[in-house]
Amino acid sequence: DAKTTQPPSMDCAEGRAANLPCNHSTISGNEYVYWYRQIHSQGPQYIIHGLKNNETNEMASLIITEDRKSSTLILPHATLRDTAVYYCIVSDLYPEYGNKLVFGAGTILRVKS
Amino acid sequence: NAGVTQTPKFQVLKTGQSMTLQCAQDMNHNSMYWYRQDPGMGLRLIYYSASEGTTDKGEVPNGYNVSRLNKREFSLRLESAAPSQTSVYFCASSPIDRGGKAFFGQGTRLTVV
Repeated sequence: DAKTTQPPSMDCAEGRAANLPCNHSTISGNEYVYWYRQIHSQGPQYIIHGLKNNETNEMASLIITEDRKSSTLILPHATLRDTAVYYCIVSDLYPEYGNKLVFGAGTILRVKS
Repeated sequence: NAGVTQTPKFQVLKTGQSMTLQCAQDMNHNSMYWYRQDPGMGLRLIYYSASEGTTDKGEVPNGYNVSRLNKREFSLRLESAAPSQTSVYFCASSPIDRGGKAFFGQGTRLTVV
């Protein structure tokens, strides 16, 4: 599995956009970029994923560079409830093998009022 | 929908005791996973089951066994608990066509004394 690199922590002011970067320079052509978050030791929660195009859903936007070596998760209007550990994961889609998600240390995002 | 349900939520074991962690999902997902998370660290994959009837080792399988009882249920057994197995255990499931989009349970907090 390709590995990812994320900053260990970031701060963001409430109401502002939170931009979380992720480097995945060894990503292969069939690997997707996934983002999960974990709030205060709860089970991780899926946020968004993408292959090469930018993606947006009700929770966040995902911007993937053209060379796919890095991506940014954007929370457009961060709230205190977005304080969590955010994990960037790359994974292929081979369901017959069970799609294993390999979690790194993630980025601790602290949203401050 | 309940999603992914883990039992028990908390457990204290003495060294050498055995126990089984239960996990059930009601989303008709093919793949199921067991992870452990030690304090301040990311999740590590213990075992996974790509589909009913199959199981495979993950990153840290030693000291554990699993059973995919049916499509809904995936159990994790500690035959002889050790203090090093003190951790939070998460079960997850994912559908065959979106293997990376996994749904997690709320975790079992296990302490081995």
